[in-house]
Amino acid sequence: QVQLVEAGGGVAQPGKSLRLSCETSGFNFRSYTMHWVRQAPGRGLEWVALMSYDETYKFYGGSVRGRFTISRDNSKNTLYLQMNSLRIDDTAVYYCARGLNSVFDWRTDYWGQGTLVTVSS
Amino acid sequence: DVGMTQSPLSLPATPGQPASISCRASRSLLHSNGYNYLDWYLQRPGQSPQLLIFLASHRASGVPDRFSGSGSGTDFTLKISRVEPEDVGVYFCMQALQTPITFGQGTRLEIK
Repeated sequence: QVQLVEAGGGVAQPGKSLRLSCETSGFNFRSYTMHWVRQAPGRGLEWVALMSYDETYKFYGGSVRGRFTISRDNSKNTLYLQMNSLRIDDTAVYYCARGLNSVFDWRTDYWGQGTLVTVSS
Repeated sequence: DVGMTQSPLSLPATPGQPASISCRASRSLLHSNGYNYLDWYLQRPGQSPQLLIFLASHRASGVPDRFSGSGSGTDFTLKISRVEPEDVGVYFCMQALQTPITFGQGTRLEIK
């Protein structure tokens, strides 16, 4: 079955960096677009970034563009999110989500359980 | 960005009775391929969101048939024909027609 397991969350000071990872199994990772979505405590969902299966397309949400970088290693079936210049309002649970195996269709289906990032001084 | 507005934000529901949630987009979600790029998710307490409905009206695998989605363009509805206790949680609509992907604020369904 499809599994997505996020890791790398924790506490970081404002201005510092963290790198999240999402290990996947149960599907052909290299054929699927992948996403990061976050949810601040007690709040709604905010889409963060996506990367197409072949890395041709990378898109970011406005609040993270220029600070966060999405990447993937298809040989390790793993998705990454490099988060630099962290701000207090980046505090959230970060979910990895599987997209589809077609280009220009940016829907998602399976989501991981998330990893908590807390930015605090 | 496409704005997504859900109503109501809180929905007290009675087991066995129907319930309905509305989602309105700030622009049409109808793609040139004829599909509306509007999905519905349920986030049960302490869990990650799970896909219920995709492309406005298609039930995801394993989703009970008491859940149905309808609508086109800018106005969409999620209906539960008979609410069950396990339906408690927050329901989100999501548009994937264009980036940035955007979500509704969420509708919290609770059992009366």
